[in-house]
Amino acid sequence: EPEVTQTPSHQVTQMGQEVILRCVPISNHLYFYWYRQILGQKVEFLVSFYNNEISEKSEIFDDQFSVERPDGSNFTLKIRSTKLEDSAMYFCASRATGGSGANVLTFGAGSRLTVL
Amino acid sequence: DAKTTQPNSMESNEEEPVHLPCNHSTISGTDYIHWYRQLPSQGPEYVIHGLTSNVNNRMASLAIAEDRKSSTLILHRATLRDAAVYYCILRTNTGGFKTIFGAGTRLFVKA
Repeated sequence: EPEVTQTPSHQVTQMGQEVILRCVPISNHLYFYWYRQILGQKVEFLVSFYNNEISEKSEIFDDQFSVERPDGSNFTLKIRSTKLEDSAMYFCASRATGGSGANVLTFGAGSRLTVL
Repeated sequence: DAKTTQPNSMESNEEEPVHLPCNHSTISGTDYIHWYRQLPSQGPEYVIHGLTSNVNNRMASLAIAEDRKSSTLILHRATLRDAAVYYCILRTNTGGFKTIFGAGTRLFVKA
C-alpha cells in the first residue's frame, strides 16, 4: 500500500537553530499538509499546500515556518529559528485530487523534533 | 468549523462490538462526517467517512442519524490493535480540505 514517508524520524536541535523536516508524499497526490502534535495534546493543523503555493495556514504557522516542494517528490517544512515550544511530533499528509482517495488524508509516521 | 463532541474515553472487551458516539448538532448540509484514529506513537489513520447514508468498509461501519446531528462509529469486533484515539471530524469537501482534529475518544480494549 502506498505510504507517506517522513525523515528524520527524530531530530534533536539547539534552540535558535534551523530545522528542515522532509516528507515524500504518495506519488500521484497533489495536496500536501503539515500537522504537529505536542506531547499529550491534540493534532494541530499547520498548513496546506497545492499547486506550489500555500492554500491555507493556521496562526501557529508564523514567519518562522515555511514550506517548499523543491522537486517532484519532496515536501519540506522549515523552521528558521527553533524555540523550545516547537518540540513536537510533526506529521506530513497528502491527498489525491480525484476519485475516492480525494476524501482521504494519508499521514506519515511523523518526525519527532526535540529542541534543547 | 462545526464542532463535534465525543466522550473522552471508552472501554471495550476484546472480540466485542464497540460503538463510539459523536454529536455534531451544528452540522451544515455540506459537512461530511469523517473518522480517523491514531494508534500509539503513530500518525492519524483514515477510518471511514459519510454524508447521509450509513457506510461500511473493511475497518468499520458508520451509522449516521437521520437528522445528521449525531453519528456512531462501529467496530464490529474490537481487537487489542484497535486501542487508539478515535477522532470524529466534520469537513466540507471543498477548497483545501483542511481537517481539524479535536480531542477524540481514547478507546481502551481489554483482553
